[in-house]
Amino acid sequence: KNEVEQSPQNLTAQEGEFITINCSYSVGISALHWLQQHPGGGIVSLFMLSSGKKKHGRLIATINIQEKHSSLHITASHPRDSAVYICAVNTGNQFYFGTGTSLTVIP
Amino acid sequence: EAQVTQNPRYLITVTGKKLTVTCSQNMNHEYMSWYRQDPGLGLRQIYYSMNVEVTDKGDVPEGYKVSRKEKRNFPLILESPSPNQTSLYFCASSFISGYPEFFGPGTRLTVL
Repeated sequence: KNEVEQSPQNLTAQEGEFITINCSYSVGISALHWLQQHPGGGIVSLFMLSSGKKKHGRLIATINIQEKHSSLHITASHPRDSAVYICAVNTGNQFYFGTGTSLTVIP
Repeated sequence: EAQVTQNPRYLITVTGKKLTVTCSQNMNHEYMSWYRQDPGLGLRQIYYSMNVEVTDKGDVPEGYKVSRKEKRNFPLILESPSPNQTSLYFCASSFISGYPEFFGPGTRLTVL
């Protein structure tokens, strides 16, 4: 069973395009997280959300608790945004992760 | 510099030979956790710790042990490694319970 589903699995975009990555979950959550994993393997935490919307630079994350759905948007995409984006939810102190969306931004 | 360190970064070992992967953070964080990452399965939580001497199982704890004797350190112990524990392991920490804010660089383990 997959508590967290992401779509699409792979995404290729032209530089400058607006990108959306989706995350749906099936469990009750305390918070939802978006992570970025660089091609070298390092993981960076982007957002923690429990409601509404957060923005950091060109990244925007939204969550709809009633629909159990979150989206990560990247505006004016750039090749340096190429990475795997991972959605995770925590139910108290335990975590469940999506399998990630691999994004490639072509110059 | 605020960071989470892991050692070793790469390890090749043989079945049954006990090993420890260390994790240390210099931010005085209370919450620390371990994850493994496998192709097609993504990240899965192994163990977490809310504070010194307080640890609990995550999603896939079988075959692993942890200890939290000091706030800064959270080692992962494989008493008798098996090939199905070949994986990429990450440690993480944060001030906020249940929030893997800072990740270590990862440890790539191969068990032959």
